[in-house]
Amino acid sequence: GAVVSQHPSWVICKSGTSVKIECRSLDFQATTMFWYRQFPKQSLMLMATSNEGSKATYEQGVEKDKFLINHASLTLSTLTVTSAHPEDSSFYICSAREGTGGWTEAFFGQGTRLTVV
Amino acid sequence: AQKVTQAQTEISVVEKEDVTLDCVYETRDTTYYLFWYKQPPSGELVFLIRRNSFDEQNEISGRYSWNFQKSTSSFNFTITASQVVDSAVYFCALSEAVTLSYNTDKLIFGTGTRLQVFP
Repeated sequence: GAVVSQHPSWVICKSGTSVKIECRSLDFQATTMFWYRQFPKQSLMLMATSNEGSKATYEQGVEKDKFLINHASLTLSTLTVTSAHPEDSSFYICSAREGTGGWTEAFFGQGTRLTVV
Repeated sequence: AQKVTQAQTEISVVEKEDVTLDCVYETRDTTYYLFWYKQPPSGELVFLIRRNSFDEQNEISGRYSWNFQKSTSSFNFTITASQVVDSAVYFCALSEAVTLSYNTDKLIFGTGTRLQVFP
């Protein structure tokens, strides 16, 4: 089946620095990618929907200037957490869908555990 | 508004027991999709099943079975003869087909049910 690769799997950064997380579709073209955030023992909350070549659509309450999303190609979307703070520590997961018509399954990356110290 | 409720926060069973995970959803749309995902301790989400709103047939896949009932807005998941490897968090999710391009429709997740299977 299709594979979505997320990198890095985990990262520790100092408060105030920025962190970039990559999400790649390895064997299909992903016109749409989604970024989710999951706090410990909680559900996945959608942060934003990323469409290739256009600006991301952010969910209510998500700061677009803090969580920068770029979907520059059909196989790569990036999430940059700018000026990270300890409260940004979380598990970030991306998912990607193939194609532009009809229903396709959403494949998930393996997630990135971010710890801000 | 769309909403997915998984009332069971944690379930513990002993190996070989059957266990049912409940999922109740809310949606105003007549066309929608329901999903179950498994999240093992490693964190990645494993797709288990997708069901569209027009197909109420129950499905069985090995030890897994799903019971979709539109009358009660439920999409319950049963594991028969549970095994230790089934221990994980299970998420039910809903997606409404409200756009021409289904690929932009987002998934609404329930809060998950943590299943622990003891040997």
